[in-house]
Amino acid sequence: SAVISQKPSRDICQRGTSLTIQCQVDSQVTMMFWYRQQPGQSLTLIATANQGSEATYESGFVIDKFPISRPNLTFSTLTVSNMSPEDSSIYLCSVVRTGTTGELFFGEGSRLTVL
Amino acid sequence: GENVEQHPSTLSVQEGDSAVIKCTYSDSASNYFPWYKQELGKRPQLIIDIRSNVGEKKDQRIAVTLNKTAKHFSLHITETQPEDSAVYFCAASGITAGNKLTFGGGTRVLVKP
Repeated sequence: SAVISQKPSRDICQRGTSLTIQCQVDSQVTMMFWYRQQPGQSLTLIATANQGSEATYESGFVIDKFPISRPNLTFSTLTVSNMSPEDSSIYLCSVVRTGTTGELFFGEGSRLTVL
Repeated sequence: GENVEQHPSTLSVQEGDSAVIKCTYSDSASNYFPWYKQELGKRPQLIIDIRSNVGEKKDQRIAVTLNKTAKHFSLHITETQPEDSAVYFCAASGITAGNKLTFGGGTRVLVKP
């Protein structure tokens, strides 16, 4: 499986602030996604991170709230903007590696708590 | 879009017994069905997957079955052990969805020693 490094692993944030999460993969990937996992819940896809272009967002998620960058094949960032307590979640980077048959692997996740 | 339903939401079994988790999906174009195990505080880990060209796949104590006609698939864990205790998620994806995974709601499995 790919080595997927996310940082920060956890953070406590104040309401109204923004936080950027970084995702670095050790090898080339074809697809990168960002998922959210609210406490005790399943995984919900936020967006597909597209290299060199705007991310593709799922219903219910917008670029102003969750701006995403992917400047190259192995790196992406997700920003959670103007945070509220409802944004307290685990945010997970996930990838499909180049040359595989489509298996999705997850990073360790970034656990955000918004006060 | 795809909708994946997963049952049961919690499952308690005695060590050594079998556990079965069932999922249904809505998009007949879905062709890839992975299962993930998530231990407390850890990332989801892929444990087994199946594609639409096969009906069953086994890997040691775990197996997955797929019924495309009925649009459901199941995870079977035999000879359960305490380390099988975790939350299990099923998922589905297909080309029409850009290979994006849609997850079921999860099943919390507790194996009692």
